[in-house]
Amino acid sequence: SQQGEEDPQALSIQEGENATMNCSYKTSINNLQWYRQNSGRGLVHLILIRSNEREKHSGRLRVTLDTSKKSSSLLITASRAADTASYFCATDDTGRRALTFGSGTRLQVQP
Amino acid sequence: SQTIHQWPATLVQPVGSPLSLECTVEGTSNPNLYWYRQAAGRGLQLLFYSVGIGQISSEVPQNLSASRPQDRQFILSSKKLLLSDSGFYLCAWSVRGLGGYTFGSGTRLTVV
Repeated sequence: SQQGEEDPQALSIQEGENATMNCSYKTSINNLQWYRQNSGRGLVHLILIRSNEREKHSGRLRVTLDTSKKSSSLLITASRAADTASYFCATDDTGRRALTFGSGTRLQVQP
Repeated sequence: SQTIHQWPATLVQPVGSPLSLECTVEGTSNPNLYWYRQAAGRGLQLLFYSVGIGQISSEVPQNLSASRPQDRQFILSSKKLLLSDSGFYLCAWSVRGLGGYTFGSGTRLTVV
C-alpha cells in the first residue's frame, strides 16, 4: 500500500528561521493533508491541498503539491519555539477509505 | 461544537488480559470513525475504520477487533493482549466528503 514519507526525519532550527518539510507518496491521491502532533498528544489538522491545487497558504504555513513528482512540501515561516512538534503528511488515496500517514518530521525550534 | 472523547489516557495491562478502549464523538451525526496505532517515534498505522453502525473494516490482521454499537461510539477490543499490542492508540472522526480528521487525545497502552 502507498506510504507517505517525510524528509527530513528530524530538523532543528533557530526561532525566526523558516522550516521546510517534504513528503513523497506513491499512488494517485484525492488530496494531501498535513498534521501536527505535540509529544504524547493527538494529531491536529493543519491544512489540506487538493490534487488539482499547486499551492495553498494558511497563516505562516505554505503547502505545495506536485502531483507529477508525487511530492509535497510544508513551509513554516518565521518559526517560533511553540512550533516544536512532529509534522505528518497524510494522503487521501483514490480507492481507499482512510488516510495514509507518513512517518513524520520532528521539528525542534530553539528559542 | 464538535468534540471527540477518548479514554483512558494511559493503561498498563498484563499479557493475556482483555482490552476495551472507547471513543465517542459529539456534535456531529453519521461520522466516519477510525482507530490508528502509533509506535514510538513512528507514523500512524490504520487499524479499523467505520462508515456506519455495525460497519467495520479491518486493515491489518491482528489481535484486535472493533465495534460501533452506536452512531458516535467506536470501541477497540482485544480478548488477550500481546506484548506487541503496546503503543499509542488514536481515535479519529471525519465527515464524509470533507477531508480533515479530528483526533482524540490518544491512549498510551503498555502491555507488560
